[in-house]
Amino acid sequence: GAVVSQHPSWVICKSGTSVKIECRSLDFQATTMFWYRQFPKQSLMLMATSNEGSKATYEQGVEKDKFLINHASLTLSTLTVTSAHPEDSSFYICSARDDKLLAGGRNIQYFGAGTRLSVL
Amino acid sequence: QQQVKQSPQSLIVQKGGISIINCAYENTAFDYFPWYQQFPGKGPALLIAIRPDVSEKKEGRFTISFNKSAKQFSLHIMDSQPGDSATYFCAAWDSGAGSYQLTFGKGTKLSVIP
Repeated sequence: GAVVSQHPSWVICKSGTSVKIECRSLDFQATTMFWYRQFPKQSLMLMATSNEGSKATYEQGVEKDKFLINHASLTLSTLTVTSAHPEDSSFYICSARDDKLLAGGRNIQYFGAGTRLSVL
Repeated sequence: QQQVKQSPQSLIVQKGGISIINCAYENTAFDYFPWYQQFPGKGPALLIAIRPDVSEKKEGRFTISFNKSAKQFSLHIMDSQPGDSATYFCAAWDSGAGSYQLTFGKGTKLSVIP
């Protein structure tokens, strides 16, 4: 099946530093990728929609300047948490929509394994 | 406003039993309904999906039942196994909304006991 690689899987950083998380679709092209945040025992909270070659669309309440998203190619989107603080500690997950699997009204999205961010 | 309501929040089923998770939606424009399985510390994995033009879809031990008039759909796991213990999320999508954003339910934690 389709694979989405998310790296790193776990990162610990000091408060005030920036952390970059990569999301790659390994065997398909993804014009659209999504970034989610998940708190323990809770559902996925959509942070932003990442579109190749254009600016990301952020959900209400998500700070654009804090969570920088870049989608420079059809297989790679990055999320940079700038000036991270302890309250940014969370599980971040990306998903990628397979450009080819649109027939029949489908919306096939594959998720990465997630990145656990711990800010000290 | 929660657009997809999922129940129960948690479920304990004996090995070999049937696990049933229900979802209800309000937006009649939704026309694609996937289910995702998530193990602790991992990202969700697509399990099975259905469109409203069919009432049931089966893949192995997993079956989606869809009731368009009631705006409800459910996941049935037959012959549940301890390896099925995970959190399950239902989701919905409106193909005419101009966005590929999925609307997720809050999740159901399934525990299958031997």
